[in-house]
Amino acid sequence: DVVLTQTPVSLSVTLGDQASISCRSSQSLEYSDGYTYLEWYLQKPGQSPQLLIYEVSNRFSGVPDRFIGSGSGTDFTLKISRVEPEDLGVYYCFQATHDPLTFGSGTKLEIK
Amino acid sequence: EVKLLESGGGLVQPGGSMRLSCAASGFTFTDFYMYWIRQPAGKAPEWLGFIRNKANGYTTEYNPSVKGRFTISRDNTQNMLYLQMNTLRAEDTATYYCATGSYFDYWGQGVMVTVSS
Repeated sequence: DVVLTQTPVSLSVTLGDQASISCRSSQSLEYSDGYTYLEWYLQKPGQSPQLLIYEVSNRFSGVPDRFIGSGSGTDFTLKISRVEPEDLGVYYCFQATHDPLTFGSGTKLEIK
Repeated sequence: EVKLLESGGGLVQPGGSMRLSCAASGFTFTDFYMYWIRQPAGKAPEWLGFIRNKANGYTTEYNPSVKGRFTISRDNTQNMLYLQMNTLRAEDTATYYCATGSYFDYWGQGVMVTVSS
């Protein structure tokens, strides 16, 4: 199975500052069709996960442009510029390139 | 508005069976893949499997961790998704979500399943 390693495990950020989360895959996530099926989800406290980013860098409908996904191959990053209170929660990367589909272990974002 | 509502969870003994349901509304059900995902308390989610859309013959795929014990089905006349779970184990205890979309665009609120004697 593809293992997605997220760092850091937790992150404490001052409101208005930038946060950066890394997701490293045990295998390249580029599929044979040329697309890279790496997504980012945010699970706010007490809620279901919600899609933020798909195919590495595409923001889902309604997601603020403060959320920026980047990367290729095995190394991916989610940057959140100008962190706001509603950004707190656990961020998960997820890959849909290889079967079985797998999630990262999560990064908890706390507000200082 | 897309809505997904899971039901059917609760307490079940090890070795028992349970069927979860997911009522879908607000979109053309047959056009979309439907997914099941679970999440043990305090842990990362785990993809369980999916059932394809009409264009792809409603075929299924499963995570090897549950293949042979769990079965995904859909009733396209009722816009319902199902997860039949057999031979349940303590490690199947989790919140179970249905989801849909081009990715996991939309999620239900989840239903808890506890496997314990």
